[in-house]
Amino acid sequence: DAKTTQPPSMDCAEGRAANLPCNHSTISGNEYVYWYRQIHSQGPQYIIHGLKNNETNEMASLIITEDRKSSTLILPHATLRDTAVYYCIVRVDVKLVFGAGTILRVKS
Amino acid sequence: GAVVSQHPSRVICKSGTSVKIECRSLDFQATTMFWYRQFPKQSLMLMATSNEGSKATYEQGVEKDKFLINHASLTLSTLTVTSAHPEDSSFYICSATRTSGSSYNEQFFGPGTRLTVL
Repeated sequence: DAKTTQPPSMDCAEGRAANLPCNHSTISGNEYVYWYRQIHSQGPQYIIHGLKNNETNEMASLIITEDRKSSTLILPHATLRDTAVYYCIVRVDVKLVFGAGTILRVKS
Repeated sequence: GAVVSQHPSRVICKSGTSVKIECRSLDFQATTMFWYRQFPKQSLMLMATSNEGSKATYEQGVEKDKFLINHASLTLSTLTVTSAHPEDSSFYICSATRTSGSSYNEQFFGPGTRLTVL
């Protein structure tokens, strides 16, 4: 699976949009981009995934660049409960390989 | 959404004993389940992939005789840590997918089991 690069940590003010970047420059044509998050001492939670097109659901939006070499997860109105480690994963088969992720701290 | 449970949520055991952790898919059938381990301040590491009715596939470096995985039904997989030692203390997390055929089904994760070996 392609490797991903994420910043180790980010801060965001409560109520503002949180934009979490991810680089996946070696992604291949059939690999999807997945985002999960893990709140402290809990199992990971699925957020969103996409292949080429931008995607939106009730939790977040996923913006994938045209060349698919990077993507951004957007939490439109971050709350304190969104503080977590966010993992960007590219996958082609059923397995998920977790990197270090980005620690997002939402502050009041 | 799909719910995955784990039992127990935390366990403390003596060195040399064996510990069994259960992973259940509560409202769907899971032909594929996964077991991960997570040490403090580290990311999740995949240990093995378990398909119902067949032997688990272990990742490189994971001892299959130490971490016994059984996936006897479509809703239950168990991980047994045999002869546990303090270095096995970790957060063990399972996940499940609805089917084994699609590459893109999301994995639903359990809440994790905190194992402490004294």
